[in-house]
Amino acid sequence: RKEVEQDPGPFNVPEGATVAFNCTYSNSASQSFFWYRQDCRKEPKLLMSVYSSGNEDGRFTAQLNRASQYISLLIRDSKLSDSATYLCVVNAGNNRKLIWGLGTSLAVNP
Amino acid sequence: NAGVTQTPKFQVLKTGQSMTLQCAQDMNHNSMYWYRQDPGMGLRLIYYSASEGTTDKGEVPNGYNVSRLNKREFSLRLESAAPSQTSVYFCASSEVVDSNQPQHFGDGTRLSIL
Repeated sequence: RKEVEQDPGPFNVPEGATVAFNCTYSNSASQSFFWYRQDCRKEPKLLMSVYSSGNEDGRFTAQLNRASQYISLLIRDSKLSDSATYLCVVNAGNNRKLIWGLGTSLAVNP
Repeated sequence: NAGVTQTPKFQVLKTGQSMTLQCAQDMNHNSMYWYRQDPGMGLRLIYYSASEGTTDKGEVPNGYNVSRLNKREFSLRLESAAPSQTSVYFCASSEVVDSNQPQHFGDGTRLSIL
């Protein structure tokens, strides 16, 4: 099993739709979780950290399920500008390393 | 608000040539990182510097060297470029190397080795 796994997609959704991505991780000792967004040929940008209690930032909601070892990202009322690749990032247990998923591609269509 | 600045943005080298990728951050961060990103491989850590004066190997350090010149600057050197080093290189920084801290990225260097 890969350390961090994401469905590569692409997810094609109409504007206004709600879409959700999951990301599974293999190291039960992982403590830190992030979602980054990466536009085509650009740098990754932090979208949100994922806390144990879950967190919300506007149209974006992140959840952590430790029992099943996955994190999720929910995007409500999708905008054209949400089209990007969403990277799941998990820390590798007690060390300083971050493990990056390959990303899930989202295309929001008019 | 410069954040993390990388130079150059694009470079083409011939096999065997050397070059240094430059990175500077103005966020007063202690920790800096060099990644490469290849299709189907995701981001892979080459080297990182937890603080000024220290450097450590990441996942794929072979063929690279780094220098943490001061708190702001962290350079990546290819001594003898190989086609396998064709990639997009990203520099990043964080307040500390603790992986609870998010990383902030430069806009990348696109490097082609012929």
